[in-house]
Amino acid sequence: DGGITQSPKYLFRKEGQNVTLSCEQNLNHDAMYWYRQDPGQGLRLIYYSQIVNDFQKGDIAEGYSVSREKKESFPLTVTSAQKNPTAFYLCASSQRGYTDTQYFGPGTRLTVL
Amino acid sequence: AQTVTQSQPEMSVQEAETVTLSCTYDTSENNYYLFWYKQPPSRQMILVIRQEAYKQQNATENRFSVNFQKAAKSFSLKISDSQLGDTAMYFCAFMTFLRSYNTDKLIFGTGTRLQVFP
Repeated sequence: DGGITQSPKYLFRKEGQNVTLSCEQNLNHDAMYWYRQDPGQGLRLIYYSQIVNDFQKGDIAEGYSVSREKKESFPLTVTSAQKNPTAFYLCASSQRGYTDTQYFGPGTRLTVL
Repeated sequence: AQTVTQSQPEMSVQEAETVTLSCTYDTSENNYYLFWYKQPPSRQMILVIRQEAYKQQNATENRFSVNFQKAAKSFSLKISDSQLGDTAMYFCAFMTFLRSYNTDKLIFGTGTRLQVFP
């Protein structure tokens, strides 16, 4: 079964802690993306990666970091520098990263306590 | 800058009826793609339908169809024979290749919450 998995589904963090959200895909897609969703808003792009070992900042990258060591994996770290990290985080992937359809994982809900 | 506007925050429809969700966008690009995504209570973002701007024919997927008016920059979604499982948040999205990002970028509207009543 091909698809995108994200873990954990729910994540709680204390202020001042870094946390890492997992995103894995077995679709053999080249490009991967991280989005943030807040209530009443559409999705906003955090980071994206076209190929392994390369990634670029999106619109709201401050306080986040990523890595792309493997084609299948694109983990997102929410650092303590992110001022308002409580949100729903969605990972997506696409075939070529150029005007091709993006498919999404099930998401991770991060809550800062 | 590209923007996507969904002017209907909430809509409701009775089961088996037809409903149309509105979307307008603003761009100076000529080549782009438009999408409707559905986000049910599970919050997984699911692709409903896709339209290429260079195609004049409106896309259809079973009960879902679009009315794409390129000159008016309008991209509405029609759901026929509505079902209870169609209850979800619906997002309109626009994609084009942005040189400043060296990638395609997906820009979302703020969504329309659709409730299907029995």
